[in-house]
Amino acid sequence: AQTVTQSQPEMSVQEAETVTLSCTYDTSESDYYLFWYKQPPSRQMILVIRQEAYKQQNATENRFSVNFQKAAKSFSLKISDSQLGDAAMYFCAYRSAVEAGNNRKLIWGLGTSLAVNP
Amino acid sequence: EAQVTQNPRYLITVTGKKLTVTCSQNMNHEYMSWYRQDPGLGLRQIYYSMNVEVTDKGDVPEGYKVSRKEKRNFPLILESPSPNQTSLYFCASSHVGAEAFFGQGTRLTVV
Repeated sequence: AQTVTQSQPEMSVQEAETVTLSCTYDTSESDYYLFWYKQPPSRQMILVIRQEAYKQQNATENRFSVNFQKAAKSFSLKISDSQLGDAAMYFCAYRSAVEAGNNRKLIWGLGTSLAVNP
Repeated sequence: EAQVTQNPRYLITVTGKKLTVTCSQNMNHEYMSWYRQDPGLGLRQIYYSMNVEVTDKGDVPEGYKVSRKEKRNFPLILESPSPNQTSLYFCASSHVGAEAFFGQGTRLTVV
């Protein structure tokens, strides 16, 4: 069974600085998706970035980028120029790319709580 | 606007009083699911649906029911809620090869 591990329960960063959140996963599959979701105090689950395992290029969305290391099964999120609005819980999630059965189920890490200090 | 609408956002109820949390999506997604989020346990899947009239248990289905009579709707039913079902609930939907879209969440308290 697939697992996702986020080893940093809490992190903090100064406004305008860069922070990296870690995520590792375990799977025997070769094709899958990885996601970072943000959960602000409003509790809404917001997609930050996605990565397809077959793509070697790391995904980027504005100030958010990932470092995807497939062989190491590592998927870290880098937030550049951190803003106060980035303060939230961040979840790493895995999903199989096999479109059958319950393979669209998301496997979640336990989250990293990010504080942004002014 | 593409969205998943979940209601209510907050609900306090008493043990044993049946309740339904509604979920509706406007993206014509075939796959929908329910998760509950608890501190220290993360998000766990309760039930999922592959399409109309096709539902199945997730990881923590005990005490819950679902139905999928229409493609857009996927209600979560607690026929006899208990305090251990106090949690934050999310409905989600997704299409082939795409990320999941989430509802706003329902904070349920059972006293």
